[in-house]
Parts: sequence; C-alpha cells; structure tokens
Amino acid sequence: AQSVAQPEDQVNVAEGNPLTVKCTYSVSGNPYLFWYVQYPNRGLQFLLKYITGDNLVKGSYGFEAEFNKSQTSFHLKKPSALVSDSALYFCAVRPSHLAGSARQLTFGSGTQLTVLP
Amino acid sequence: DTGVSQNPRHKITKRGQNVTFRCDPISEHNRLYWYRQTLGQGPEFLTYFQNEAQLEKSRLLSDRFSAERPKGSFSTLEIQRTEQGDSAMYLCASSLFETSNTEAFFGQGTRLTVV
Repeated sequence: AQSVAQPEDQVNVAEGNPLTVKCTYSVSGNPYLFWYVQYPNRGLQFLLKYITGDNLVKGSYGFEAEFNKSQTSFHLKKPSALVSDSALYFCAVRPSHLAGSARQLTFGSGTQLTVLP
Repeated sequence: DTGVSQNPRHKITKRGQNVTFRCDPISEHNRLYWYRQTLGQGPEFLTYFQNEAQLEKSRLLSDRFSAERPKGSFSTLEIQRTEQGDSAMYLCASSLFETSNTEAFFGQGTRLTVV
C-alpha cells in the first residue's frame, strides 16, 4: 500500500527567508508526486507535480520541489517566503503503473506553514 | 468561474437525518472523485466515477453512503442516517483522463456537522 509522510505538522519561517516543507513517500514502482495547498475554508489548489524527467520541478507562485528517488522524498521549497504563503500544504502520491486503473491519490496529513512578517 | 463547484458549502444536521451534497465538475472533465477530510488529516479517497460509471469505492464508504453521477456530469453524495463520526469536509475533484498523470482539481468542499 502507498503512503505519504509529512514529518512536520507546523513550519514557521520569517518572510524573505527560504522555506522547505518535507515529504517522504512509499509506493511500489515509480511514483507520481503532487503538492497541493489549502487556504482556510477553501478546497485544495494544485501547486506542482513530478511525473518523470528533471528531478527539480517548478510550479505555481514560485514554488518548486525536488524529487529524490534514493531518499524517497519530494520536498517543497521556495527561495523567499511571503506572508501570503501561509497555508496548509499537502503532499500526495500515486503509483505510476496503476494510474490507469482505480488507484487514487494518497495524501499526507498536511503541514501548516506560517510565514512571519 | 469554471472550476469545480460544490453545494452546499456548509450543512448542519441532526444525527439520524439524511443529507445530500452536489458536485459540478469542470465541464470537460470525465473523471470525478469524492474525498473526505477530517480535522488535522489529509483527504481520504471515497469513490470515483469515469463518466457515469462508478469504478471504485473505498472501504471508508459504508452502506450508508451512496454516490451517483447519472448523466456523467454532476454528482451527488448521499449519507443516510448520519452519525457524529460523519462530521467532516467532503471534497469533490475532477480531472480529464487523457494520460495517467493528469492532476485533479478540487472544489471548495462541503463541511458537514452532525449534532
């Protein structure tokens, strides 16, 4: 069975500093990996995905994520945090070889990012 | 707005009552998903449709839960004889099944409170 771990419930960072939100995964075969962001009382918004190719993936709002197969990680990063980045961030995985069948996204428990002014 | 739309946004119901939620996906999307999210947790998969066919149901989806997508467009999720443990955010998502790596787009959710 696939799983996602987000080891930090809460990440605090000062505005203008770089941020990292950690994610590790477990899946059979090659993974498809996703990051979503959730603002209060809102649905999930797609940020970026890793499918294949370059390990560094760039997404919306200046976010990027680095896929590391040996460490089974997909950490979300941003060079300079904004107060408006404060939100709940979810990492999700889907096994690539089962993506055409009925296997759906498995989400982590989320990391609350707070950017302090 | 051409995103995924869910109604109602909030629902408070008494234990034992039935509730129904509606999801309108992005118009050209042929896949539609239901997820449940409880406080402090990530979304958990409930069920999904490809067009009007319900292709998979999670074991989380008890017999009190039923979902339909009769014309392959909007979907409804009904919970019968609600219990306090059903209190959660119910999220709908849709995607276009062209390739296996297509991302899903989520609605704003329906927050259910069972009192």
